[in-house]
Amino acid sequence: AQSVTQPDIHITVSEGASLELRCNYSYGATPYLFWYVQSPGQGLQLLLKYFSGDTLVQGIKGFEAEFKRSQSSFNLRKPSVHWSDAAEYFCALTGANNLFFGTGTRLTVIP
Amino acid sequence: DGGITQSPKYLFRKEGQNVTLSCEQNLNHDAMYWYRQDPGQGLRLIYYSQIVNDFQKGDIAEGYSVSREKKESFPLTVTSAQKNPTAFYLCASSASIGTQYFGPGTRLLVL
Repeated sequence: AQSVTQPDIHITVSEGASLELRCNYSYGATPYLFWYVQSPGQGLQLLLKYFSGDTLVQGIKGFEAEFKRSQSSFNLRKPSVHWSDAAEYFCALTGANNLFFGTGTRLTVIP
Repeated sequence: DGGITQSPKYLFRKEGQNVTLSCEQNLNHDAMYWYRQDPGQGLRLIYYSQIVNDFQKGDIAEGYSVSREKKESFPLTVTSAQKNPTAFYLCASSASIGTQYFGPGTRLLVL
């Protein structure tokens, strides 16, 4: 069965520091993987996606993610966090008919 | 300007009342989805539709109903059978299996 695990419920970083949000998945084949961001009371915005090819994927707002098949991971990274990055981040993978989401990681940015 | 709209932004339901949440898209996407979001639980799929006049139950369909009479519209009705309807409801659409784009959400509260 497919599943997505985001081990960190809440992460706090200082503005300007680097960021890595973890995502592990379980899927029988090569998955389609996504990272979405959600500001409070808003919908989800797509940050980036991996379908195939280069395992390092660039997204919007300076984010990138690396697909590692051997570790079943798709971690999200940003070299320097801005205060506006404070939000909730969701990793997801595509099943047969829909997306499976992790439970999210809430990011707090300290000035 | 293409996108997904949801209305209303806030909705209040009285005991025993059915309420309908609107979702419209002008992206010409075939597939549409409804998710429920509760704190700490990520997003859970309620219903999805891959084509007009056809829809399937998701993981938590009990107490909900949908229709898909037009490609652009996928309204969700929260019936009186749904005993715990307070949540944030998100509608999404996709061109095919893969990237889903989300609306801004509707917050449903029980009076």
